[in-house]
Amino acid sequence: DTGVSQDPRHKITKRGQNVTFRCDPISEHNRLYWYRQTLGQGPEFLTYFQNEAQLEKSRLLSDRFSAERPKGSFSTLEIQRTEQGDSAMYLCASSLTTGLHYEQYFGPGTRLTVT
Amino acid sequence: AQKVTQAQTEISVVEKEDVTLDCVYETRDTTYYLFWYKQPPSGELVFLIRRNSFDEQNEISGRYSWNFQKSTSSFNFTITASQVVDSAVYFCALREDFQGAQKLVFGQGTRLTINP
Repeated sequence: DTGVSQDPRHKITKRGQNVTFRCDPISEHNRLYWYRQTLGQGPEFLTYFQNEAQLEKSRLLSDRFSAERPKGSFSTLEIQRTEQGDSAMYLCASSLTTGLHYEQYFGPGTRLTVT
Repeated sequence: AQKVTQAQTEISVVEKEDVTLDCVYETRDTTYYLFWYKQPPSGELVFLIRRNSFDEQNEISGRYSWNFQKSTSSFNFTITASQVVDSAVYFCALREDFQGAQKLVFGQGTRLTINP
């Protein structure tokens, strides 16, 4: 049983550039979540999908951020016109929907550095 | 609004000591779930335990134990006979059950260092 995978693991980009991250959830999981974690803080929720539908978005997700999950499997998170404040670890998680007690399992994250 | 507070930013103990990590939460919901995650230096969050608001039984798993007290809105985590491999950042998290809410709200984390 492979876990959640994320690519790339590290990304360094210049301010103003666009970046895209990919997340592959655990295969039978139909919910997928994105979180952002800055240094010394706990993860903060950005958005989540159930299958291909994006059901909730945080106010943290500005217009420069867009997330997709076109076929209900992998997801991408794109940041346009990156700013230094976007530097963070971007974490992806997945879960089941059956039952009431579905845990979220996290991937290793993509660390973004905006210079 | 939901909130999780982990007042201990950093804890450092010598191996084999017992250590307790505190977690206090706020929620208006009557049904909610509490979690603990471990984040080792590699960065990946590892799920440790889930507890729902209707189950106040304490739980023990090996050297780990959890104490859930609704009266004080606390969900504390104790490691007995700590080991160097327990060194990590530990996060407490809350998920409400209101209107299908799915997001986890995390505390700021407690960095635990176990010294040999």
